[in-house]
Amino acid sequence: GDSVIQMQGQVTLSENDFLFINCTYSTTGYPTLFWYVQYSGEGPQLLLQVTTANNKGSSRGFEATYDKGTTSFHLQKTSVQEIDSAVYYCAMRNYNQGKLIFGQGTKLSIKP
Amino acid sequence: DAGVTQTPRHEVAEKGQTIILKCEPVSGHNDLFWYRQTKIQGLELLSYFRSKSLMEDGGAFKDRFKAEMLNSSFSTLKIQPTEPKDSAVYLCASSPGTAANSDYTFGSGTRLLVI
Repeated sequence: GDSVIQMQGQVTLSENDFLFINCTYSTTGYPTLFWYVQYSGEGPQLLLQVTTANNKGSSRGFEATYDKGTTSFHLQKTSVQEIDSAVYYCAMRNYNQGKLIFGQGTKLSIKP
Repeated sequence: DAGVTQTPRHEVAEKGQTIILKCEPVSGHNDLFWYRQTKIQGLELLSYFRSKSLMEDGGAFKDRFKAEMLNSSFSTLKIQPTEPKDSAVYLCASSPGTAANSDYTFGSGTRLLVI
């Protein structure tokens, strides 16, 4: 069945470090891919999305490239700040489906 | 624009009680979702409605969890009877539908503690 895998449950970095959060997906369809961010005490909110394979999405310094060859959608940021501390969810939705399939989430902690 | 509104923000219940959580989706959205969020399991889908019709009812949650969508602008999640293992954050989300760029708008959640 369809699935999204985030292997990293927790990532701890220092300010200005490079961020890389791994995400791979499995489906037979043509998904739209998403990254959501959840700050403490809030619901998840959309960070970025990419509909077309080989395209890149970006927002607030974060980037993710839809790689159909490796079925991956890794999240990157060149220089993280303390305000980026949050839980990040990778998700996908297949064409003509309403439901999102989420990964397990990665908690990002930034040391000042 | 009004987002998704969930009430209450916090709920404390004794084991065996019945509790009802409420959700108002974004106006005009066709799809509504209820999720349970825990540190161990992450986001677990409880129910999914499209245009008020139940599309999916999370198998593991059927016996004590019941979601309803009384009209296009209001949904409830009833847990009856509550158990301590139900302690979690319950999130409601809505979405325009199946267009390629449709994403979810989440509410801030209801944090439930069952003692």
